[in-house]
Amino acid sequence: QKEVEQNSGPLSVPEGAIASLNCTYSDRGSQSFFWYRQYSGKSPELIMFIYSNGDKEDGRFTAQLNKASQYVSLLIRDSQPSDSATYLCAPHSGNTGKLIFGQGTTLQVKP
Amino acid sequence: DAGVTQSPTHLIKTRGQHVTLRCSPISGHKSVSWYQQVLGQGPQFIFQYYEKEERGRGNFPDRFSARQFPNYSSELNVNALLLGDSALYLCASSLAGEGTQYFGPGTRLLVL
Repeated sequence: QKEVEQNSGPLSVPEGAIASLNCTYSDRGSQSFFWYRQYSGKSPELIMFIYSNGDKEDGRFTAQLNKASQYVSLLIRDSQPSDSATYLCAPHSGNTGKLIFGQGTTLQVKP
Repeated sequence: DAGVTQSPTHLIKTRGQHVTLRCSPISGHKSVSWYQQVLGQGPQFIFQYYEKEERGRGNFPDRFSARQFPNYSSELNVNALLLGDSALYLCASSLAGEGTQYFGPGTRLLVL
């Protein structure tokens, strides 16, 4: 079992729709969870993080965390073509300070 | 404020050579982490340094080494380069070891 699993996609949604990106993780000791966006050929850019079970909203983005199910998700409302990128889920391993990345989900937003 | 900076941006080496990659963290950040990202995969953790001490090491061979300087900048060294070391090397800085990590632009290494 991989430490972090994401559907590689591509996930294709029309402009204006809601994109839902999912992630499961295996380390029950993970306490914080990060979502990064990576455009092709660029480095990861932090979108948001979440520590507590439930939802956390930031603009068009909502992160959801369910520690009992070891599940994290990212919702993007009113998707724009500029949101087309790879989205990386990364639980934080508190013991070592490392981020454990999934392979990422490629999102395509079609005009 | 300047973000994380890395140098060089691109590098071409041949098998067996060694390489040194450099990173300067965001001002005030005391922790630097290094990641390797091969095409199509998520970044893989190599090292984390905090206050000049190694705080974590990933599953990489001893050919990989790093250090952090008194000004909190860091170097990643890779010896005896292999073709498989071709990747994007990312540096991330954080206030402390457990904090939010912000990535630099990366160094793209090609080993021929």
